[in-house]
Amino acid sequence: RKEVEQDPGPFNVPEGATVAFNCTYSNSASQSFFWYRQDCRKEPKLLMSVYSSGNEDGRFTAQLNRASQYISLLIRDSKLSDSATYLCVIYRDDKIIFGKGTRLHILP
Amino acid sequence: DAMVIQNPRYQVTQFGKPVTLSCSQTLNHNVMYWYQQKSSQAPKLLFHYYDKDFNNEADTPDNFQSRRPNTSFCFLDIRSPGLGDAAMYLCATSRDRGGSQPQHFGDGTRLSIL
Repeated sequence: RKEVEQDPGPFNVPEGATVAFNCTYSNSASQSFFWYRQDCRKEPKLLMSVYSSGNEDGRFTAQLNRASQYISLLIRDSKLSDSATYLCVIYRDDKIIFGKGTRLHILP
Repeated sequence: DAMVIQNPRYQVTQFGKPVTLSCSQTLNHNVMYWYQQKSSQAPKLLFHYYDKDFNNEADTPDNFQSRRPNTSFCFLDIRSPGLGDAAMYLCATSRDRGGSQPQHFGDGTRLSIL
């Protein structure tokens, strides 16, 4: 089992809809969690950190569930520009582990 | 303003011909990372420098080397590129190691092998 797992998608979602996807991790010692966004043939860019209390940034909400060992990303009122791959990134003991990403396509 | 700059954006080299990829940063971050990313795969960490301290990942082939002559610059040397080394190479920096410090990525260098 991989240490970080994401549904590769693609998620095809109409513009304006709400979409959510999860990332599960296997090592309970994982310490820090991030969502990155990567556009096609571009570099990953930090979208948001994920805190135990949950955090929100505009249309984006990230949550961490330590008991069930997953993090989630919710996008409300999705825009065409949200089409991208969303990478889950986890830190454990100074080690960085990337998920393979979930592809999201927002449909007009 | 670009803070992590990779050159070139696209690099074509011949099978077996050494190639060097460049990364510079204006953030004065302590840590610089090199990743390899192939299509539809997660970025794979090759190695990182914590200041001058080089940290190689256990599964990074010997064909890949790195140099960090000063805080601002880091180079990735591929001694004898094979067809399997064609990929996007990403440089990233962070202020420190550890999970409180997110990484800042450069635009990447896309390497093709003829």
